[in-house]
Amino acid sequence: QVQLVQSGAEVKNPGASVKVSCKTSGYTFTTYAMHWVRQAPGQRPEWMGWINPGNHNTEYSQKVQGRVTFTTDTSATTAYLELSSLRSEDTAVYYCVRDSGRDWLLESWGRGTPVTVSS
Amino acid sequence: EIVLTQSPGTLSLSPGERATLSCRASQSVSSTYLAWYQQKPGQAPRLLIYGASTRATGIPDRFSGSGSGTDFTLTVSRLEPEDFAVYYCHQYGNSPLTFGQGTKVEIK
Repeated sequence: QVQLVQSGAEVKNPGASVKVSCKTSGYTFTTYAMHWVRQAPGQRPEWMGWINPGNHNTEYSQKVQGRVTFTTDTSATTAYLELSSLRSEDTAVYYCVRDSGRDWLLESWGRGTPVTVSS
Repeated sequence: EIVLTQSPGTLSLSPGERATLSCRASQSVSSTYLAWYQQKPGQAPRLLIYGASTRATGIPDRFSGSGSGTDFTLTVSRLEPEDFAVYYCHQYGNSPLTFGQGTKVEIK
């Protein structure tokens, strides 16, 4: 079955960077886009963008563009999110989410990685 | 950006009752690209409905979705204890993908 296993919780100072990993199994990694969604405490989920592991094409939301980078390691079937210049507003749970392969339906979710930005 | 507005914010009901949740979009959403998720504390959202009315794998038939254009509805025919949670509507046809602010279904 599809599994998305994310890295552990992070605590960062403002201005620092964070890198979150998402190790996948149970499907062909290059066939499905990987999306990243974050959810601040008590808020609705917020879509950050996606990466196509097959050709490394990416799309980033305007809100985080310029500070976020999505990458993949095909041999390790792992996706990564790196967010720089962290601010308190970036405190959230970060989810990797595989889509359906036919459209952008967010079908399979990782358990989430809590990131806390605090001095 | 398509803004999704859910109502009510909170729904207080008893087990066995019917729950009706609404989602209104700021512009037309193709029915093919409207989904509903359930989220419990400390968990990731769980896909319930996609394409406005298709149940995801393993979702009980007490959950149903309907609607088109700008108005969509999630109905839970008879609430079970495990159904008390927050529900989000979500459109995935236009970038940026967006979510509603959620409806909390709580035990009365």
